[in-house]
Amino acid sequence: AQSVTQLDSQVPVFEEAPVELRCNYSSSVSVYLFWYVQYPNQGLQLLLKYLSGSTLVKGINGFEAEFNKSQTSFHLRKPSVHISDTAEYFCAVKVLTGGGNKLTFGTGTQLKVEL
Amino acid sequence: ETGVTQTPRHLVMGMTNKKSLKCEQHLGHNAMYWYKQSAKKPLELMFVYNFKEQTENNSVPSRFSPECPNSSHLFLHLHTLQPEDSALYLCASSQLTGADTQYFGPGTRLTVL
Repeated sequence: AQSVTQLDSQVPVFEEAPVELRCNYSSSVSVYLFWYVQYPNQGLQLLLKYLSGSTLVKGINGFEAEFNKSQTSFHLRKPSVHISDTAEYFCAVKVLTGGGNKLTFGTGTQLKVEL
Repeated sequence: ETGVTQTPRHLVMGMTNKKSLKCEQHLGHNAMYWYKQSAKKPLELMFVYNFKEQTENNSVPSRFSPECPNSSHLFLHLHTLQPEDSALYLCASSQLTGADTQYFGPGTRLTVL
């Protein structure tokens, strides 16, 4: 079975500083990878996804993530954060075959951007 | 703008009440999902429907009863809930092709007294 680990439960950062949110996964088969963002009192919004091809994926709101197969990682980065990026970020994985529709989520990372 | 809507957005109910949560997707998808999100816990997949047929029940207690009358609508009927069922209930939909990306609604915040 697949699993997702988000090592940091909270990441505080000052506005305009760069940020990296870490995500590692475990799976015996190939996977699709996703990052979702959840603003307070809202549902999950898709930030970006890796399906195949280029390992650097660009998403909405200036975020990007890099798929590293050897490290089984899919870390999310933004070169300069804004107050409005304060939210919870979830990494998720879906296996290409044999997993049905199932999307496995990490426990989330709370990004807090401070002035 | 989300293509998945959920009503109500907030619900407070007693342990003996019966209520229903509604989800509607406007994306032309053919799969729908119910998730439970509790504080400090990972998202829990509850039910999956593909082409209106239930394909997954993740050991959910029978006090939660899903209904999928068509590919655009999904309901979660609630009865005799417990206080520990208080959570954010999220609906999602996807197209059963390729990466099968799931798109989420805003959720229903449920409080059981």
